[in-house]
Amino acid sequence: DQQVKQNSPSLSVQEGRISILNCDYTNSMFDYFLWYKKYPAEGPTFLISISSIKDKNEDGRFTVFLNKSAKHLSLHIVPSQPGDSAVYFCAGDRRNSGNTPLVFGKGTRLSVIA
Amino acid sequence: DAGVTQSPTHLIKTRGQQVTLRCSPISGHKSVSWYQQVLGQGPQFIFQYYEKEERGRGNFPDRFSARQFPNYSSELNVNALLLGDSALYLCASSLPTGGKSPLHFGNGTRLTVT
Repeated sequence: DQQVKQNSPSLSVQEGRISILNCDYTNSMFDYFLWYKKYPAEGPTFLISISSIKDKNEDGRFTVFLNKSAKHLSLHIVPSQPGDSAVYFCAGDRRNSGNTPLVFGKGTRLSVIA
Repeated sequence: DAGVTQSPTHLIKTRGQQVTLRCSPISGHKSVSWYQQVLGQGPQFIFQYYEKEERGRGNFPDRFSARQFPNYSSELNVNALLLGDSALYLCASSLPTGGKSPLHFGNGTRLTVT
């Protein structure tokens, strides 16, 4: 049972344009959703999160939108830069409910082309 | 500030052997989690420890075990290694176990079982 799904394995975007990475979930009990970025040979790096009671959170070039009725969230990167090229993981978080692990999607590889 | 540190960075073992992976959390973080990432998948939860007690266990066989020490560092042990145990093993630390504190990952240990 895949509770968090990232249906696009890869995405290519021109430098300066917007990158939109999508994530769907099935478990309504997630308290938070987090996005992580991963470069090769490094661990995932926390990027941005959103509480399940919010519909938007913004941090610089990164904005996450949450649509609870559709069980869908998206990460927008504007403007995209070559250094943003990485694998992006979406994760659901139930730690507030005492259920400890993050549940990750399979990731989307973003390539930003100069 | 030092991030999460893991050792060794790479390891090659043969089937049937045993392996111990080590993790030092960020200073002040009392919660440590272990994740396994195989190629093409997101990280999968193995264990979580908080204040030296196991707080969660993922769907992994009993060959996998872990512990946390008084200084909050942690070890992951895998016995009777199988080829399928080849993966990137990630350690993450966080402040209290609630959802407002994101997990901070180390760069992982790449385990190859031949």
